[in-house]
Amino acid sequence: DAKTTQPPSMDCAEGRAANLPCNHSTISGNEYVYWYRQIHSQGPQYIIHGLKNNETNEMASLIITEDRKSSTLILPHATLRDTAVYYCIVLRKGAQKLVFGQGTRLTINP
Amino acid sequence: NAGVTQTPKFRVLKTGQSMTLLCAQDMNHEYMYWYRQDPGMGLRLIHYSVGEGTTAKGEVPDGYNVSRLKKQNFLLGLESAAPSQTSVYFCASSEQSGSMTLAKNIQYFGAGTRLSVL
Repeated sequence: DAKTTQPPSMDCAEGRAANLPCNHSTISGNEYVYWYRQIHSQGPQYIIHGLKNNETNEMASLIITEDRKSSTLILPHATLRDTAVYYCIVLRKGAQKLVFGQGTRLTINP
Repeated sequence: NAGVTQTPKFRVLKTGQSMTLLCAQDMNHEYMYWYRQDPGMGLRLIHYSVGEGTTAKGEVPDGYNVSRLKKQNFLLGLESAAPSQTSVYFCASSEQSGSMTLAKNIQYFGAGTRLSVL
């Protein structure tokens, strides 16, 4: 599975959009991009995933570049409860084993 | 709907003691996983199971054993605990992808077990 690169930390003001980047330049055609987050002392939580089209659900939006080498997770109106570590994971179609990197520690400031 | 439940939530062991961590899911998922998370680190996969009666090694399996005798339960055992096994342990489950044209690996995690080995 392709490796991912994320900034170690980011800050965002409450109420603003939080944009979290992820680089996955070695991604192959059958690999999906998944995003999970882990709020302090809790188990990770699934957010969203996609292949090549942009995706949106009730939690977030996922923007994948046309060459699929990078993506951005967007939390449209960040709240204090969105403070967490966000993990970008690339997963081959049909594979089951998630590989968690260091992630991005997102802090939402009041 | 409880989702994924882990017991116990906390445990302190002495070196050499044994214990079993229990994970139970009520979502009828085929796949179950055990991860460990050390301070400031991401999760690392210990063992996983693709169905009742099956288990497989993950990234860091040494020192652990697992069993999946019932579909809803996945047990993680430490036969002789070591200080290096001090960690937070997370269990997860996921449903089997229904089609090879659709990749779907949404894992649902428990709240974790905090284990200290002295």
